[in-house]
Amino acid sequence: GQNIDQPTEMTATEGAIVQINCTYQTSGFNGLFWYQQHAGEAPTFLSYNVLDGLEEKGRFSSFLSRSKGYSYLLLKELQMKDSASYLCAVKDSNYQLIWGAGTKLIIKP
Amino acid sequence: GAVVSQHPSWVICKSGTSVKIECRSLDFQATTMFWYRQFPKQSLMLMATSNEGSKATYEQGVEKDKFLINHASLTLSTLTVTSAHPEDSSFYICSASTSGGASEQFFGPGTRLTVL
Repeated sequence: GQNIDQPTEMTATEGAIVQINCTYQTSGFNGLFWYQQHAGEAPTFLSYNVLDGLEEKGRFSSFLSRSKGYSYLLLKELQMKDSASYLCAVKDSNYQLIWGAGTKLIIKP
Repeated sequence: GAVVSQHPSWVICKSGTSVKIECRSLDFQATTMFWYRQFPKQSLMLMATSNEGSKATYEQGVEKDKFLINHASLTLSTLTVTSAHPEDSSFYICSASTSGGASEQFFGPGTRLTVL
């Protein structure tokens, strides 16, 4: 079966750095997405990785290793507004998005 | 960026009634639209995929006759929850893409349905 694993919840301090990991086992691979979802709102796109390596976009970076079936989302200089759920999703061979359950990130002052 | 709207943003209805949710791509033509459901503290669950002008493809366990999907144009898809029951109360989210899912999906803001 297809499976995406990410931690259920993480806590970090304002101003610090946090890394959210995601491991996946899917039938084929056509890219990995990270989305941010605030409570009661729809997901918003953060990043897309299809090749191995690190993609940096401001305070957020995303890393992919296809051979290891592994990705992480790195958030720097954490702000209170970063408190949200972070969803990892992989497109399989049929271009269908397979979603992880999300990681709830709690930022403390 | 691409914008997707949903209407209504929230709705409360009585058990047994039907509710229609609209999903519109405002500044691009959406070849494919996706409908998701999300229960509290759970991940997104894909309900169905619809391509303009053809019948929707439903995921296993999703009742076609209960969740009617119409994708009549390249900018509009509708989801009708028929004979709604309290267990249908959920957050319904649509997304749209330009090329059968191979491109990025753009999400609507979601519709919160509460069935009394």
